[in-house]
Amino acid sequence: AQTVTQSQPEMSVQEAETVTLSCTYDTSESDYYLFWYKQPPSRQMILVIRQEAYKQQNATENRFSVNFQKAAKSFSLKISDSQLGDAAMYFCAYRSMEYGNKLVFGAGTILRVKS
Amino acid sequence: GAGVSQTPSNKVTEKGKYVELRCDPISGHTALYWYRQSLGQGPEFLIYFQGTGAADDSGLPNDRFFAVRPEGSVSTLKIQRTERGDSAMYLCASSRRGGYGYTFGSGTRLTVV
Repeated sequence: AQTVTQSQPEMSVQEAETVTLSCTYDTSESDYYLFWYKQPPSRQMILVIRQEAYKQQNATENRFSVNFQKAAKSFSLKISDSQLGDAAMYFCAYRSMEYGNKLVFGAGTILRVKS
Repeated sequence: GAGVSQTPSNKVTEKGKYVELRCDPISGHTALYWYRQSLGQGPEFLIYFQGTGAADDSGLPNDRFFAVRPEGSVSTLKIQRTERGDSAMYLCASSRRGGYGYTFGSGTRLTVV
């Protein structure tokens, strides 16, 4: 079974600075998807960024980018120019490309942004 | 609808009672998922529907939990004989068939007292 580990329960960043959230996962599959979701106090999970494992190029969405290291099974999220609205719980998630559609989530990292 | 709608947003029930949680997915999304999120944890998969049928119910914790989606749209998660350990946020998500982009609802927070 796949597992996702987020080793940082909580992180803080100064507004306008850069922060990196860590995620590692365990799988025996070669094709899969990886995601970062944001969950603000409003509770709704919002997709931040996704990465297909077969793509070597790291995904980027505006201020959000990932460092995908397939051999190391690492998938970190970098947030540049942090804004107060980035404060939320961030979840890393894994989805098999071949076996089922369910997401496997990590335990999450609380991100606090200081003004 | 424009988004995934979950009702009620909050539910308080007494131990032993029966509850129903409703999810109305995005129109045209054939796939529907239920997850349970305990406080301070990541969501855990419960069940996945493709159309009207449950394609994967391996995450349901026991036979007190049941979910239906009779017309391939709205889904209801049913919990019998609720226990205090059932207290959690219940999240619903939907996606197009074959799509990997899920849209989540805002969840139902269930509290069993």
